[in-house]
Amino acid sequence: TQLLEQSPQFLSIQEGENLTVYCNSSSVFSSLQWYRQEPGEGPVLLVTVVTGGEVKKLKRLTFQFGDARKDSSLHITAAQPGDTGLYLCAGSTGTGSARQLTFGSGTQLTVLP
Amino acid sequence: DAGITQSPRHKVTETGTPVTLRCHQTENHRYMYWYRQDPGHGLRLIHYSYGVKDTDKGEVSDGYSVSRSKTEDFLLTLESATSSQTSVYFCATQGAGEKLFFGSGTQLSVL
Repeated sequence: TQLLEQSPQFLSIQEGENLTVYCNSSSVFSSLQWYRQEPGEGPVLLVTVVTGGEVKKLKRLTFQFGDARKDSSLHITAAQPGDTGLYLCAGSTGTGSARQLTFGSGTQLTVLP
Repeated sequence: DAGITQSPRHKVTETGTPVTLRCHQTENHRYMYWYRQDPGHGLRLIHYSYGVKDTDKGEVSDGYSVSRSKTEDFLLTLESATSSQTSVYFCATQGAGEKLFFGSGTQLSVL
């Protein structure tokens, strides 16, 4: 069974601060997805990283896939209250079916105004 | 985004009763999934479907069954609800690649 560990589990910061959350595994993934989930809603896909060492930017969010494709990080610059939510990573073994996606347990981020 | 509607949004039931949750999609996606979400466990796959009448088990399928009689509808049934099945249930469809689109969830409490 492939496991994805996310850290930290909880993070509370002030508006304007920077933060990084991590997603780590001992397994190699063909790609890794990041989702954000707001209270009372389902997760929404933010980005998919595919290539080892790949960096993708989405406004103030920067996603990186580790060179060995076993880990990933999400960095948020100048966090805003609207960034509050549960951030989930999900690793894929590349079969084409989401049936084999492995989800991490998530990082609950709270950005205080 | 895929139009995914889950019903009911909230349900309280008693131990031993059967419960059916419904997922309806308007995007004609072939693959559909049922997950449960519990604190500290992330999303765990219960069952999935790869077409009408084609379903298979996920990692936490015990005590659950599913049916898919039409492309747009995927039903999850708890045959005899237990307190350990208190959870938030999410339905998802798969778009291009392995991208998942999730519904808004059903909060189920089994007393």
